[in-house]
Amino acid sequence: GDSVTQMEGPVTLSEEAFLTINCTYTATGYPSLFWYVQYPGEGLQLLLKATKADDKGSNKGFEATYRKETTSFHLEKGSVQVSDSAVYFCALNNQGGKLIFGQGTELSVKP
Amino acid sequence: DAGVIQSPRHEVTEMGQEVTLRCKPISGHNSLFWYRQTMMRGLELLIYFNNNVPIDDSGMPEDRFSAKMPNASFSTLKIQPSEPRDSAVYFCASRETAYQETQYFGPGTRLLVL
Repeated sequence: GDSVTQMEGPVTLSEEAFLTINCTYTATGYPSLFWYVQYPGEGLQLLLKATKADDKGSNKGFEATYRKETTSFHLEKGSVQVSDSAVYFCALNNQGGKLIFGQGTELSVKP
Repeated sequence: DAGVIQSPRHEVTEMGQEVTLRCKPISGHNSLFWYRQTMMRGLELLIYFNNNVPIDDSGMPEDRFSAKMPNASFSTLKIQPSEPRDSAVYFCASRETAYQETQYFGPGTRLLVL
């Protein structure tokens, strides 16, 4: 079945460091791909998405490119801030219209 | 826009008691999802509705769990009787139509069953 695998956390970085969170997927067809972010005590918020191969989603300095050849959708940010500390979820929208989530990666940014 | 509204935000109950969680989707959205989040199992889809009709309830863990959507602006998830292993954060999400892909999540209900 469809699945999403993320790198394990927690990831701890210093402010202004470069961030990469790896995400790979297995799916039938060509699903849309998403990154959601969950701040402490809150629900998930859509961070960015990409709907087809080679699309790049971007928002708030975060970027991710839909790579069909490697079935990946890695999240990157050039310079993280303390306020980026959260749990990040990679997800795909399967053919049944359901979101399939990865296990989440906790990011902690230290000043 | 008020976003997805869930109540209560926190619930503490004793094993065997009935628990009812409530959700109000974003106005105009006609798909609604219930998720459960735990450390061990991550985010799990329990059930989802399109136009108030349950489409897929394969994630509902057992008969103790039931969900209803009596109208487009309200849904409930009920656990009866509750057990300690039901302790989790329960999220409701809504989507504009069955053809839109982005889901909008509520703040969640943190449930603790003692």
